[in-house]
Amino acid sequence: EDQVTQSPEALRLQEGESSSLNCSYTVSGLRGLFWYRQDPGKGPEFLFTLYSAGEEKEKERLKATLTKKESFLHITAPKPEDSATYLCAVQSNSGYALNFGKGTSLLVTP
Amino acid sequence: ETGVTQSPTHLIKTRGQQVTLRCSSQSGHNTVSWYQQALGQGPQFIFQYYREEENGRGNFPPRFSGLQFPNYSSELNVNALELDDSALYLCASSRTSGGYYEQYFGPGTRLTVT
Repeated sequence: EDQVTQSPEALRLQEGESSSLNCSYTVSGLRGLFWYRQDPGKGPEFLFTLYSAGEEKEKERLKATLTKKESFLHITAPKPEDSATYLCAVQSNSGYALNFGKGTSLLVTP
Repeated sequence: ETGVTQSPTHLIKTRGQQVTLRCSSQSGHNTVSWYQQALGQGPQFIFQYYREEENGRGNFPPRFSGLQFPNYSSELNVNALELDDSALYLCASSRTSGGYYEQYFGPGTRLTVT
């Protein structure tokens, strides 16, 4: 059974203080690993897809990396508007469902 | 490009009632997936529709059912509502072809069962 574990559950950063969020996964054949951002009461917003170990993708202050067991979402010099819950999901080769972790709630203070 | 839309935004129902939630997929997308998100949890996969057929189902009972229409829009129906069905219901659309697997989510429908 596919499993996704995200850590930490919550993270508080000062503006400009870089950090990383972790997503550990087990899946029987990875089709893709997905990162989403979710603001309170809204639907998840797509950020990145990673398909194979060693792959990296960047968007503004965010950089996602992938190994065979985990993915990291690095946040460089965060701003208060980066505050949100970040969700990680895996999709196996046997289907199209996204299997999500519980998310990391990020708060960036001025 | 029009994004995924869902209606209604909020809904309050009584235990035992039935509810229908609606979703319009993003233009160019042919697949719709439905997820249930309880407070403080990640979304849980309910089922997916492709070419008007159910294309996969998560661990949800048969009282959760769906439809997809020729224009790729979709409905989620829940019968015999239970208190635990209170959640944010998310619809996501995608293109199931050409190597694109990203799912784009709508804003969700907040269902409260009393």
